[in-house]
Amino acid sequence: TQLLEQSPQFLSIQEGENLTVYCNSSSVFSSLQWYRQEPGEGPVLLVTVVTGGEVKKLKRLTFQFGDARKDSSLHITAAQPGDTGLYLCAGARGNNDMRFGAGTRLTVKP
Amino acid sequence: EAGVAQSPRYKIIEKRQSVAFWCNPISGHATLYWYQQILGQGPKLLIQFQNNGVVDDSQLPKDRFSAERLKGVDSTLKIQPAKLEDSAVYLCASSLAVGNTIYFGEGSWLTVV
Repeated sequence: TQLLEQSPQFLSIQEGENLTVYCNSSSVFSSLQWYRQEPGEGPVLLVTVVTGGEVKKLKRLTFQFGDARKDSSLHITAAQPGDTGLYLCAGARGNNDMRFGAGTRLTVKP
Repeated sequence: EAGVAQSPRYKIIEKRQSVAFWCNPISGHATLYWYQQILGQGPKLLIQFQNNGVVDDSQLPKDRFSAERLKGVDSTLKIQPAKLEDSAVYLCASSLAVGNTIYFGEGSWLTVV
C-alpha cells in the first residue's frame, strides 16, 4: 500500500485541454513536492508546498496543498505536448522521511 | 554546475550475479540518496547518507544490497546476488542538506535475466 495515492494513474488528453491530477494520503506532511520525470531521466523538482491551503503557480501549472496538509493537486491549463511525462508527488514527514507516490503518467497529443 | 553523475547507465546481468553502481553527487552536497524505481512505481528510498554516515537504511534489503560513501563524496551501491525482482532504475540524488531541494541523476537501468 502506497503512503501517497496518486490519481489518475494514466491520463491521455489532446493539446489545449485542461487537467487536474491528485495526490492523497491519510498522513500529515510537513511539506509536499511535485516532480516531473521524462523517459530515461531522473525526476526534476517542479514545486514545494509547505503551508496548508497554499497555492503556487508555475506558468500554466497550479499547485495546491490541502488545508490539512494531507493532499495536493496539480492543475495544468491548456496542456501542451511538452507537458508529457510522469508526475510524481512526494511527501516529507520530518527531515529524514520523504515518500513518493506511484505517479500519474500524462500524455498530451498534438 | 555539474549535476549528479551516475554510471553505468545500463546493465544487464544474470540472476545470482553481482553488480555495482557509482554515484558522484553535486559538489558540496552533504546528503546523498539511493532510490529504486521499479517500472510503473514511484522511487523508493533505499538509503540516505549525511556526509559519510547512514541516516536511513530501513528499506534497504541488507541481505543482498550494500552501499557506502567512504569519504563523504562518491557513493557505490552493490547488489549481490541479484534477483529478477531487482530489475529497476537505481536513482542517485543529492541535496545540500537534509530538507533542501533534492537533485536526481539520470539513473542506472538494471535488467536481471
